[in-house]
Amino acid sequence: AQSVTQLDSHVSVSEGTPVLLRCNYSSSYSPSLFWYVQHPNKGLQLLLKYTSAATLVKGINGFEAEFKKSETSFHLTKPSAHMSDAAEYFCVVSDRKSNTGKLIFGQGTTLQVKP
Amino acid sequence: DADVTQTPRNRITKTGKRIMLECSQTKGHDRMYWYRQDPGLGLRLIYYSFDVKDINKGEISDGYSVSRQAQAKFSLSLESAIPNQTALYFCATSELLAGDMADTQYFGPGTRLTVL
Repeated sequence: AQSVTQLDSHVSVSEGTPVLLRCNYSSSYSPSLFWYVQHPNKGLQLLLKYTSAATLVKGINGFEAEFKKSETSFHLTKPSAHMSDAAEYFCVVSDRKSNTGKLIFGQGTTLQVKP
Repeated sequence: DADVTQTPRNRITKTGKRIMLECSQTKGHDRMYWYRQDPGLGLRLIYYSFDVKDINKGEISDGYSVSRQAQAKFSLSLESAIPNQTALYFCATSELLAGDMADTQYFGPGTRLTVL
């Protein structure tokens, strides 16, 4: 079965410092992985996705993630946090085995950005 | 995303009432999904539909039903609402593109449902 574990439920950084949100996955198939962001009282927005092309994936708003098969990880990073980055972030794996397009969500990481 | 709309955005109802949540999309996608979000649990799939004649249960379908009235419309019903169905509900759409190994899902703004 496929699963996703977000290693931190809450991360706090200062504005201008790097962001690291950690995600490990479990999959018996070559996974498709996503990061979504949810701002307060908003829907989910796609930040980036990995589909077995380049292992370093660049997304919107300066975020990127690196797929590391040996570590079964897909951590999200940003060099310099901005106040507007404060939100909840979800690491997601697609259920490619069943070809249903079903998404399996991690528990979420709340990012706090301090001035 | 304005391409996927949900109504109502907020709803308070009482135990035992029937309630319907509606989702409409203008993206022209065939696939539509309903999720619920609970704190600390991420999003969990309730039902999904690949076209008007194809409806499938997700991991937590008990107590819910759906209707795909058209390609663009997918409704979620709670026949007899109970307090543990209090949650944030999201509709999503996707289109499986040729050669794309994972179809991206596009989410509506959510409906906050409270069952008293």
